[in-house]
Amino acid sequence: QKEVEQNSGPLSVPEGAIASLNCTYSDRGSQSFFWYRQYSGKSPELIMSIYSNGDKEDGRFTAQLNKASQYVSLLIRDSQPSDSATYLCAVKGTGGFKTIFGAGTRLFVKA
Amino acid sequence: GAVVSQHPSRVICKSGTSVKIECRSLDFQATTMFWYRQFPKQSLMLMATSNEGSKATYEQGVEKDKFLINHASLTLSTLTVTSAHPEDSSFYICSASPLTSSPSGMYQETQYFGPGTRLLVL
Repeated sequence: QKEVEQNSGPLSVPEGAIASLNCTYSDRGSQSFFWYRQYSGKSPELIMSIYSNGDKEDGRFTAQLNKASQYVSLLIRDSQPSDSATYLCAVKGTGGFKTIFGAGTRLFVKA
Repeated sequence: GAVVSQHPSRVICKSGTSVKIECRSLDFQATTMFWYRQFPKQSLMLMATSNEGSKATYEQGVEKDKFLINHASLTLSTLTVTSAHPEDSSFYICSASPLTSSPSGMYQETQYFGPGTRLLVL
C-alpha cells in the first residue's frame, strides 16, 4: 500500500478554470503536509504547507486538509498555462525526518 | 530565505569514472539533507538521508558503496557516484530543511530542493 497516493493524471483544464488536485495518505498520525510544483526538467519548488484541518489560501492557491479522512487537496483558481506542471503532494509522518512524496499529478492548462 | 544550491548543474562523464555532486544550504544550517534521484517521467526516489557528523542512512536497494555521501558541515553534503555506468544517468536532486524552533525544541520541517544535477554517463 502506497503511503501517499495521487492520481497521476494528466488533469486537463481550460485557462481560467479551477484545477483541483487530490492526495490521500496512510499515516494517520501525520502532522505536516506540503504541495510542490515541478516543471519538466526542473527540481520541485514549494507552493504551500498546511498543518491544521481546513483551508489555507495563498494567492490563487488553496490547500485543504481533512485529517479525519486522511485527505489533502490543492485548488488552483484562474488556472494559467504557466501552471502546467507536475504537482507533488508530500506528507511528513510521525517520527524521524523523512517526508513521503506522492508520485505526482500532471496538470495541463489549455490556453 | 531557505535557498539550496547544487553543483554542478550538469555533468557528462565516461563510464567507470567517479562524479561528485555538492549540495549547499546557503542561508541556513541543515543537520539533515536528502538525496533523490529521478528518471525521466518518473517520480522522485529517495536515495539516502545525509546526517552531519554521522553516516548516511540509505534506502533499501541503494548501494552505499556506489553512492558515497559525506555531510562535512552544517551547510554542505556531497554525493559521489563511484565507477559510474550509463544506467546511473539520471537527475540527482538534494534537499535540506531549516531547523524550526518550537516550545518543545528544534525540529526540521519543510524541505527545500536544490536545482538538481543532470548526470549523463557515456
